[in-house]
Amino acid sequence: AQSVAQPEDQVNVAEGNPLTVKCTYSVSGNPYLFWYVQYPNRGLQFLLKYITGDNLVKGSYGFEAEFNKSQTSFHLKKPSALVSDSALYFCAVRDMNYGNNRLAFGKGNQVVVIP
Amino acid sequence: DAGITQSPRHKVTETGTPVTLRCHQTENHRYMYWYRQDPGHGLRLIHYSYGVKDTDKGEVSDGYSVSRSKTEDFLLTLESATSSQTSVYFCAISEEGTDTQYFGPGTRLTVL
Repeated sequence: AQSVAQPEDQVNVAEGNPLTVKCTYSVSGNPYLFWYVQYPNRGLQFLLKYITGDNLVKGSYGFEAEFNKSQTSFHLKKPSALVSDSALYFCAVRDMNYGNNRLAFGKGNQVVVIP
Repeated sequence: DAGITQSPRHKVTETGTPVTLRCHQTENHRYMYWYRQDPGHGLRLIHYSYGVKDTDKGEVSDGYSVSRSKTEDFLLTLESATSSQTSVYFCAISEEGTDTQYFGPGTRLTVL
């Protein structure tokens, strides 16, 4: 089965410090990977995706993600965290078992940026 | 929220009553999805649609049914609501040829 794992329930980081949110994947074939962010009482917002090509993917709000095939990881990063980055972050992978645009989501990581 | 509305946004109902949630899109996207979000479980797919009148089950479809009679509307029905269906429900859409999904604002459902 296609799946992603987000090993940490919560990530605490001081404002201005680098932020990393971890995601590992398990797929058969080439992975299509996604990051979404959810602010309180809102729906999920698309941040970025990796389909093929450059292993470093740039997305919205200054976020980027690094695809690492040997470590089966797709970690989300931001060089300098803002208090407004406090949110719930979801990693997702295209579910290749189904042909019709299905994604499998991780359980989410709560990010708390401390002023 | 990418031209997606959900109604109602909040609902409180009693066990055993039927409930219908509506998702409406203005993007003319082919694919539509219903998810539920629960603490510790992330997002789980309930049902999805790949065209008008074309639907399929997700991983947590028991107790739910869906209908899609028009491209823009995707309805989720709880035939007889139970307390275990208390959750936040999200609708999402995606275009043909891309896997990126865009989400609506959510419906918070409480079943007493």
